[in-house]
Amino acid sequence: QSALTQPPSASGSPGQSVTISCTGTSSDVGGYNYVSWYQQHPGKAPKLMIYEVSKRPSGVPDRFSGSKSGNTASLTVSGLQAEDGADFYCSSYAGSNNYVFGTGTKVTVL
Amino acid sequence: QVQLVESGGGLVKPGGSLRLSCAASGFTLSDYHMSWIRQAPGKGVEWVSYISSSSSHTNYADSVKGRFTISRDNAKNSLYLQMNSLRAGDTALYYCAREVMNPDGSGSGAFDIWGQGTMVTVSS
Repeated sequence: QSALTQPPSASGSPGQSVTISCTGTSSDVGGYNYVSWYQQHPGKAPKLMIYEVSKRPSGVPDRFSGSKSGNTASLTVSGLQAEDGADFYCSSYAGSNNYVFGTGTKVTVL
Repeated sequence: QVQLVESGGGLVKPGGSLRLSCAASGFTLSDYHMSWIRQAPGKGVEWVSYISSSSSHTNYADSVKGRFTISRDNAKNSLYLQMNSLRAGDTALYYCAREVMNPDGSGSGAFDIWGQGTMVTVSS
């Protein structure tokens, strides 16, 4: 399984929006509505932010939103706050109990 | 509270073996599919292995297939990963993670509860 492709970095000023892409294939991102997004701060475990493309777990601010078009999923963080600076990973179900993660994106709040 | 606690990591020589454990608390382990996920130092996250709620199905990443074995004991609220023929490339922080479940008992491909991880270092 090949990792999903994410840009290495993204940035924005406080209050602005940033969007991260996650590109896979028709065998993973494009084939299932099972894309999820994780936020990871240094030294911490990843935290689920979005699941099933656009659903937010309880407690995740509505500033975080997800979408998908074809083989590419996206995470948008609106109204950037200092604490949003972290690494973000996408993930997709890839069929037959296989899962694949993205390469990761470092978000910097300027 | 709901939590997962991994243990069993350590320093092992290439070709050696380790058995990781993951203790679940605050929820009924038998209701959930589980996975092991790893992260090499300074690198991204990699899914390693999956086991269904009843142990009826397992799967592995190509990078560990034939060397790692996942298992669980729901009565003991525990998940395990037996790692054999370890290589330098297996050096990583290993997390156990709970999968978000759909009402029909299928998984959603997302992981909502993660442990703090246990470090495995393979080096001579």
